[in-house]
Amino acid sequence: DAKTTQPPSMDCAEGRAANLPCNHSTISGNEYVYWYRQIHSQGPQYIIHGLKNNETNEMASLIITEDRKSSTLILPHATLRDTAVYYCIVRKAQAGTALIFGKGTTLSVSS
Amino acid sequence: DVKVTQSSRYLVKRTGEKVFLECVQDMDHENMFWYRQDPGLGLRLIYFSYDVKMKEKGDIPEGYSVSREKKERFSLILESASTNQTSMYLCASRAPDRGYYEQYFGPGTRLTVT
Repeated sequence: DAKTTQPPSMDCAEGRAANLPCNHSTISGNEYVYWYRQIHSQGPQYIIHGLKNNETNEMASLIITEDRKSSTLILPHATLRDTAVYYCIVRKAQAGTALIFGKGTTLSVSS
Repeated sequence: DVKVTQSSRYLVKRTGEKVFLECVQDMDHENMFWYRQDPGLGLRLIYFSYDVKMKEKGDIPEGYSVSREKKERFSLILESASTNQTSMYLCASRAPDRGYYEQYFGPGTRLTVT
């Protein structure tokens, strides 16, 4: 599985867009980019995933570069409730076992 | 919204006790999972179930068993709790037509075994 690199922390003002980057330069052609977040003392929450096209859902947008070596998760209007650790993982689509989260990015949203 | 609930947020048990952790999902998902999350080790899969009465071992099944009698409910059983089973336990569910890692998690049960 491709390794991912994320900044350890980011700050964002409430109401502004939060852009969280992830580098995955060794990604292979059949690996997807998944984003999860984990709010303190809660279970992980699936956010979004993509292969090569940009994706958008009710929570966020995922922008994947054309060479697929990096991606950006965008929370368009961050709220205090978006304060969490955000994890970017790269995995093949077929069934696997462990979900390995790295250290992720701690996003702090302040008013 | 998918809702996955777990029977307890915090649990304290003694060594040797039999422990039951319950998980219920309300989205009619066939697939359900039990993980434990430990600092530095990420999420490790204990057991998963593709459908009612079906179960498969994950990466670390030793010391655990599971039960899936109804589609919405997946139980994790610690046959004889030990201190090294102190951990955060997370249940997840997934619809089979979605990506494997598009899993929806419960709030977790923090189990302490003394």
